[in-house]
Order: sequence, then structure tokens, then C-alpha cells
Amino acid sequence: QVQLVQSGPEVKKPGASVRVSCTTSGYTFTNFGISWVRQAPGQGLEWMGWISGYNGNTKYTEKFQGRLTLTTDASTTTAFMELRSLRSDDTAIYFCARSTAAALGYWGQGTLVTVSS
Amino acid sequence: QSVLTQPPSVSGAPGQTVIISCTANSSIIGATFDMHWYQQFPGTAPKLLIYGNTNRPSGVPGRFSGSKSGTSASLAITGLQAEDEADYYCQSYDRSLRALFGSGTKVTVL
Repeated sequence: QVQLVQSGPEVKKPGASVRVSCTTSGYTFTNFGISWVRQAPGQGLEWMGWISGYNGNTKYTEKFQGRLTLTTDASTTTAFMELRSLRSDDTAIYFCARSTAAALGYWGQGTLVTVSS
Repeated sequence: QSVLTQPPSVSGAPGQTVIISCTANSSIIGATFDMHWYQQFPGTAPKLLIYGNTNRPSGVPGRFSGSKSGTSASLAITGLQAEDEADYYCQSYDRSLRALFGSGTKVTVL
């Protein structure tokens, strides 16, 4: 079955960077893209960006342009999300999700990133 | 103005039908778009409930149904159950194929 397993919680200081991994299994990695979605405490879902599992093409929401980098490693079927210059309002749960018929059909369990001095 | 507008909350008694609306800003989403719906319980990842406006993934109960008309989409829960108390989000894409979520609707079972 399709599974997306994310790396563990992170605590970072303002100005630092964080890298979250999303290891996939149960499907052909290169056939689907991975989106990253975050959810701040008590808030709604916010789409951050998408990366193709086939060729690494990316699409980012304007809000994160310049701070966000999405990458993949097809040899380990893993996607990565790196967010730089962290601020306190970046504190959130970060999810990876695989596309299914243009929707997000499979989700990782989420990774809590806390930004605090 | 939000791109995808949802009511903050809806409520209903067990057995009733509740409908959650999602109105799209067509200048950003475009004239033809598909809407997807997700259910989220506190502390868990969202779950795909409806894709392509009306389609239910395998395993989603039949009491959940989606519809779309013009620039609005709706999620109906027929025969509301206590276990349906959760947050629900609509989702689509803008003209640049960037995903967008609605602000979410909390469903309360009275």
C-alpha cells in the first residue's frame, strides 16, 4: 500500500534552516509528484509547493519563493523540503502528500517544526 | 477576499444532512476547475474525501457526496454521525496550477 513516512519533530532557532524528509513506498516514485502543505497551530491548511517525482520540476507558492527548496532522491524514493531563514510564524506541522487524480490522495503523518529562541 | 470561501462552521443533529459550501474566486481559479474535499481530525493528517467534484475514493462512506455548479462547490454529509465531527477543507488550483485550500469548516454534531 502507498505510504509516506516523514522525519521527526524539529526545534530550530529563528534564522536557521530546517530540512524535512518524506520517504515513500508502495508505488512508482517517478509517476507522481509530491506536494508540501503546512498547518500552523489552530489554523488551516496552506499549500507550499510541489515537485515532480519524474524530473524534479518544481512549483512554489509566491509566499515562499526564495526561502523554500523542494528536492527528491529517486534512488531512495524520498522527497525533501528545506525552509530557510525560519521565523516564529513558521512554527507549524508540515505534511507531504502524493497526488491522486489531481487531488492529494495520500499524506504523510506530519512533522512538527517549532521555531523558538 | 479569500480565493476559496467556506463557512467557518456548520452543525447538525445526528441523522440530519449538513452542506458545506466552497465559493471560488473565478478570476483566480478560472472558469473551469475541479474541487476536492478533505476531512481532518485534530492531530492527524487530512484525508481525501471527494476528488474531481463528485468522486469518492475507495473506503469513503456513501453519506459523503460532492457537487459543483458554476463557481461554487458543495460537500454534503447525509445522515450525519458523531464520528463526522471534524474539519473539512475544499481545494483547487489557480491558473498557474498552484494548489489552494479553503479556510476550512468545522462540523459539529449536536
